Amino acid sequence: ETGVTQSPTHLIKTRGQQVTLRCSSQSGHNTVSWYQQALGQGPQFIFQYYREEENGRGNFPPRFSGLQFPNYSSELNVNALELDDSALYLCASSLISGETQYFGPGTRLLVL
Amino acid sequence: QQPVQSPQAVILREGEDAVINCSSSKALYSVHWYRQKHGEAPVFLMILLKGGEQKGHEKISASFNEKKQQSSLYLTASQLSYSGTYFCGTGNAGGTSYGKLTFGQGTILTVHP
Repeated sequence: ETGVTQSPTHLIKTRGQQVTLRCSSQSGHNTVSWYQQALGQGPQFIFQYYREEENGRGNFPPRFSGLQFPNYSSELNVNALELDDSALYLCASSLISGETQYFGPGTRLLVL
Repeated sequence: QQPVQSPQAVILREGEDAVINCSSSKALYSVHWYRQKHGEAPVFLMILLKGGEQKGHEKISASFNEKKQQSSLYLTASQLSYSGTYFCGTGNAGGTSYGKLTFGQGTILTVHP
């Protein structure tokens, strides 16, 4: 059974650019949540996808968007990058919404 | 509303015990505890659901006081491998927020030999 994987591990972008981050959920898990973790802070909920539909969203602007595919893998897209978007982006999968979430290793994004 | 963790940091010698607290101003459905080491992903420790239950996992256990909207994580006979930042994540029942975890600011635990 494979765990949650994310790609890429690191990314450097400039302000105004767009970025796509990818996540493969743990085998058998149909729910994926995305979090942003700034340095020295706890993870902040961006949104959750369940069976390809958005199932809850945190306080993030619309330039943060996502997708979930039929195989339950997921993408996080961020448009018009800002300096404050620099953070560790974590995805977590769970068997069903509300249950234990297992985190991937994260993608560290630096916006210059 | 972000749950509040206390203490912010704790330093222990191997073999000592520690308690980390997590308080919320909102009614809770679940509390999830994670440990994160520097540069790594948070690792799941345990989940406690509404009902005041206590769970144990070898030398790490936790309680959930639904009335007080608080949870505590108990680390006994600490080992060097316990070092890291501990986060509690709180979950709410129902509605569009179901499944969303709101994390505290973290408690940095350092265990020295």
